This record gives sequence, C-alpha cells and structure tokens, in this order.
Amino acid sequence: QVQLVQSGAEVKKPGASVKVSCKASGYTFTSYYMHWVRQAPGQGLEWMGIINPSGGSTSYAQKFQGRVTMTRDTSTSTVYMELSSLRSEDTAVYYCARDTTVTDAFDIWGQGTMVTVSS
Amino acid sequence: QSALTQPRSVSGSPGQSVTISCTGTSSDVGGYNYVSWYQQHPGKAPKLMIYDVSKRPSGVPDRFSGSKSGNTASLTISGLQAEDEADYYCCSYAGSYRVFGGGTKLTVL
Repeated sequence: QVQLVQSGAEVKKPGASVKVSCKASGYTFTSYYMHWVRQAPGQGLEWMGIINPSGGSTSYAQKFQGRVTMTRDTSTSTVYMELSSLRSEDTAVYYCARDTTVTDAFDIWGQGTMVTVSS
Repeated sequence: QSALTQPRSVSGSPGQSVTISCTGTSSDVGGYNYVSWYQQHPGKAPKLMIYDVSKRPSGVPDRFSGSKSGNTASLTISGLQAEDEADYYCCSYAGSYRVFGGGTKLTVL
C-alpha cells in the first residue's frame, strides 16, 4: 500500500541541525512532489516547502529560506528535510506529505517526527 | 504569507450541520480553485477531506462538502457524528507556496 514512513524522534540543542527522513513505498517515487509541514505543540499546521523527487528542484516558504534544505535519494525513494540553526520555537512534529500532482492537495501523510530543541 | 483565518472553534449536536469558514485574500483562496481541507484527530496525522474547493477523495463520506465565494472557502459537515469531533484545517495554493488556516476545533455536543 502507499505509505510514507518517517525517521524517529530527535532531541537537539539550540544552534544544531536536524535531518528528518521520509521513505516512500507503494508508488512511483519520482511521479509525485513531496511537501514538508510542521506543527508546534498545540498549534496549527505550517507549510515549509516542496521538493520534486524527479529533478530535485525545491521551493521553500519565505520563513525558512536559508535554514531549510530538502533533498532526495531516488535509489531509496527517500526525501530528507534538514533544518539548521535550531531554536526552541522549532520544537514541533514534522510531517512529509505527498502532493496529489493532478491537483494541489496533500493526499498521503507520514506519521510525523517529533523534533525537540532544548538546552 | 499570512495564515488563512478560521474560527477557533465550532460545535453542534449529533445530526446537525456545521460550517467552518476559511478567509484569505485574492492572492490565495480568491485567486485559485485549489483549496483543500484536512481533518486531524489528536495525536494523528492530518487526513485529506476536500480538495479543489469541493471535491471529495474516495472514502470520504458525502456528509462533507466544500464551497467558495470570493476570498472565503467553507467546509460544511452535515449529519454530525461523534467521530467528526476533530481539528479541521483549510489550505490554499498561493503560487509558489501554500498557506494553511489556523485550524478549527469541532466539538460534537
């Protein structure tokens, strides 16, 4: 079945970087764009950016420009999201979400990865 | 890139209907027919309920419907059921980026 499986929870110190992975299965990896969305504790969803797994092109939300890098490995059908210069406000659950491609919506979501930033 | 505006909470009794609004601008909601809605239960990942303003993915009950007028989109849930109690988020395409609403907590009384 179509699914996205993310890496496990992380605890990082302020100023460090974190890299979260999202492994896709059950469909042609390069045929669907992938988004990253985060959710701080008790807060709403926040769009971070999108990657085209085929060519690797990316587009990031202005808020994260310069701090986020999204990459992919087609050999393992995995996308990655790296966030640098972490601060306490980056404590959140990070989700990868597949783009429907034929329209604009997120049809399949990963289970989420909790990233905690604490000294 | 400001968040779309949703009411913080709505409520209704079983069998009733509720409507959740989502207000944006001509640069997002009003400019494109790419509004989607997501349901999120506590501790779970969001689930796509509506896309392209009013279309339902396979498996979503027809009790869920969407519409749009100008810069405001709406999600209506009719025949409320206990399992509909959740947080709901709208999302709009906005050119090179996407923007979510702040979320609405639906309570089934």
